[in-house]
Amino acid sequence: ETGVTQTPRHLVMGMTNKKSLKCEQHLGHNAMYWYKQSAKKPLELMFVYNFKEQTENNSVPSRFSPECPNSSHLFLHLHTLQPEDSALYLCASSHGQGGRNTIYFGEGSWLTVV
Amino acid sequence: DQQVKQNSPSLSVQEGRISILNCDYTNSMFDYFLWYKKYPAEGPTFLISISSIKDKNEDGRFTVFLNKSAKHLSLHIVPSQPGDSAVYFCAASLNAGNNRKLIWGLGTSLAVNP
Repeated sequence: ETGVTQTPRHLVMGMTNKKSLKCEQHLGHNAMYWYKQSAKKPLELMFVYNFKEQTENNSVPSRFSPECPNSSHLFLHLHTLQPEDSALYLCASSHGQGGRNTIYFGEGSWLTVV
Repeated sequence: DQQVKQNSPSLSVQEGRISILNCDYTNSMFDYFLWYKKYPAEGPTFLISISSIKDKNEDGRFTVFLNKSAKHLSLHIVPSQPGDSAVYFCAASLNAGNNRKLIWGLGTSLAVNP
């Protein structure tokens, strides 16, 4: 139990579906992240939020839409995804933003787009 | 172009022996390095880190060595235990404007055999 909870753990969706991934952290952190892990690729940072404000968007397609209503919750809204979007999506949080602060990851949401 | 390289996708070690996981980087601006460990079906968890002003950091069975001139770091686990079997990610951090960036390697899968 890392203090970062992701739901659902597994999701299968069609290309025309709309779904959302949810993340909640109980660590009192102010920064939250979405990462994507695909096979044979490094962890890819998608979005960063610091005190609810988006501070990074790494050229992520608009079919991925993040939402951060407060410092404890982060959503990733999914719409008209492609099969190549199938991957493990990891939510994470840290005290401050950036690489010197230990990042705590959730267990991930396995997404399959059919 | 991968800035953080873990050239060995997998490593197999006998229980009780030393495991050495290697990581090379290309950007001399990296000033902080981290190792994360990931079990299947879980998110990565922080293991150990090292600042670029040091050449060694030790925490129990885990020691990270940094050779800045060679742009190389390594994680030593001694003695290795079956519970250490996991994927180990090397990550490197640098200042990037107002934020810090964290760049990840592809990971090395360690198997510790009883």
